[in-house]
Amino acid sequence: EIVLTQSPGTLSLSPGERATLSCRASQSVSSSYLAWYQQKPGQAPRLLIYDASSRATGIPDRFSGSGSGTDFTLTIGRLEPDDFAVYYCQQYGSSQFTFGPGTKVEIK
Amino acid sequence: EVQLVQSGAEVKKPGESLKISCKGSGYSFTNYWIGWVRQMPGKGLEWMGIIYPGDSDTIYSPSFQGQVTISADKSISTAYLQWSSLKASDIAMYYCARARGYCSSTSCSSFDFWGQGTLVTVSS
Repeated sequence: EIVLTQSPGTLSLSPGERATLSCRASQSVSSSYLAWYQQKPGQAPRLLIYDASSRATGIPDRFSGSGSGTDFTLTIGRLEPDDFAVYYCQQYGSSQFTFGPGTKVEIK
Repeated sequence: EVQLVQSGAEVKKPGESLKISCKGSGYSFTNYWIGWVRQMPGKGLEWMGIIYPGDSDTIYSPSFQGQVTISADKSISTAYLQWSSLKASDIAMYYCARARGYCSSTSCSSFDFWGQGTLVTVSS
């Protein structure tokens, strides 16, 4: 089973700042099959990025994903008030298709 | 518009059975895998399993194999998650979600559309 570790656990930033979230895998993620989701309180997750760097339909271009192998990054170019949420990575290139524990992006 | 609409919140007693549902609309239900994801209170997301409604091919996470049953009725575009005997540890929000592409036991796809979630409470 691939274990995903996300860091930091909590990121305290102000609107307009840049957010950089990390997702590290215990083994290489096949074909960069890694996604990022955003979840706000009381809501279902929303797909942001799939296949490591492809933006999902309707996702603003301030969200970008990068990385390969075991190291992946989600970057939010300039935080807007609506972006404060929990972000999860998920790998789907190896059986058990695990999620990371999440990074909470909170208002500083 | 793609929509996944889940059944309402449930309150059950330990040992009772339960089947929750997820109805898809706005797309060809038989052509996309539907997965289930658990979120225990205050915790993260856990991938439970996935089904292809076209032929009912099903893949389970080892953590959930034997604990739940995933099924689908393509005639009414609905997927199901069921328990034969609930435990207190089954208390969680359960989401269904549509996979973007093909899944197998060794690789799958991200989830592009999600249901609103079904809260399952188990209490004596």
